[in-house]
Amino acid sequence: SAVISQKPSRDICQRGTSLTIQCQVDSQVTMMFWYRQQPGQSLTLIATANQGSEATYESGFVIDKFPISRPNLTFSTLTVSNMSPEDSSIYLCSDQRGPTSGYTFGSGTRLTVV
Amino acid sequence: SQKIEQNSEALNIQEGKTATLTCNYTNYSPAYLQWYRQDPGRGPVFLLLIRENEKEKRKERLKVTFDTTLKQSLFHITASQPADSATYLCALGAMNSGGYQKVTFGIGTKLQVIP
Repeated sequence: SAVISQKPSRDICQRGTSLTIQCQVDSQVTMMFWYRQQPGQSLTLIATANQGSEATYESGFVIDKFPISRPNLTFSTLTVSNMSPEDSSIYLCSDQRGPTSGYTFGSGTRLTVV
Repeated sequence: SQKIEQNSEALNIQEGKTATLTCNYTNYSPAYLQWYRQDPGRGPVFLLLIRENEKEKRKERLKVTFDTTLKQSLFHITASQPADSATYLCALGAMNSGGYQKVTFGIGTKLQVIP
């Protein structure tokens, strides 16, 4: 089955700083997705990342706050910029191998902003 | 607006019994419905997908039903085991023109199987 390696698994950061989360996929995939999961809430899609083009952001999320890179078909990063305590959450990357394959998720990054 | 409802309260069930989890939705016409399992500190793991024209799907001890009239899916785990204890998420998907899904997740229901 598909494997996504995500790091860091957790971090505690000072407000105003930035954190970059990395995801490495075990095979080439066209689309990667970045989600946020806040306590007691459902997974919320932040953006979709295609290789070679700018990411597509969902309503409420902007590139200046969550810049994404997708340099090749097996790797993507999400940066959480100028962090505030409200950014404390679990961030997950995922991919989709086919229309009926469901999503494969990384293990998540638990971010705490103090 | 689109809404997915899962019982946010934990479901406790005795080992060996059948666990039934519910996913209701409104203002949505999904092409697919998916179920995921999520353990603490881990990402969700895909379990089953059922299409809008399918009534039932089975995989080992798992069974999913999909009623587009009632706008409801039921997720059953038969002969439940303590190892089945986890949070189960439903997700509704619609196919885009590129052949890929865009899914919306429910909040999940925490299942606790008691030995």
